[in-house]
Amino acid sequence: SQQGEEDPQALSIQEGENATMNCSYKTSINNLQWYRQNSGRGLVHLILIRSNEREKHSGRLRVTLDTSKKSSSLLITASRAADTASYFCATTLRSQGNLIFGKGTKLSVKP
Amino acid sequence: DGGITQSPKYLFRKEGQNVTLSCEQNLNHDAMYWYRQDPGQGLRLIYYSQIVNDFQKGDIAEGYSVSREKKESFPLTVTSAQKNPTAFYLCASSPGLYAGELFFGEGSRLTVL
Repeated sequence: SQQGEEDPQALSIQEGENATMNCSYKTSINNLQWYRQNSGRGLVHLILIRSNEREKHSGRLRVTLDTSKKSSSLLITASRAADTASYFCATTLRSQGNLIFGKGTKLSVKP
Repeated sequence: DGGITQSPKYLFRKEGQNVTLSCEQNLNHDAMYWYRQDPGQGLRLIYYSQIVNDFQKGDIAEGYSVSREKKESFPLTVTSAQKNPTAFYLCASSPGLYAGELFFGEGSRLTVL
């Protein structure tokens, strides 16, 4: 079952620009997480935002959550070539408690 | 260093052969998970285990089997019944079942020739 859908599927920007990725979901959640995956590697947890939170920051990352629109956004400011990776949102459903991943946004940051 | 170790990193097998992927963690986590990732796709849950000697089927368990005899180990066997086993397999763990973030291994890429 596909709960989270990231948008866009792919994003190409220049170093120094900001990158914004969006995630939409269908049913009520307990929390939403963002993960990063470098090509051919495992996923690395970036940030978790709970359903009663609206915004969280971690370094150059800013995550927002709008439960009325069932959507979240991940903003990476002042991007670097090293930020090139795929970014996945994952939602924990309130009804089931399991974690469901979206298909990801592939970010390419050009030097 | 604490973490999750998956092995082997790359594995090639002929059709009809069973293959076992190893996953070991030294994070003292109770919950462990196996996910499958196909190109351009998200992660799909194969099996998960909340505690030693207990495991449950995920969304795509057919053709796979697991065991959880030790807290730190959660091996996955891809059987000959799995019709399309070529994929990237990821193991993860967390302190409790879906409690906060998941910690992932580096993955195992299985190619069936």
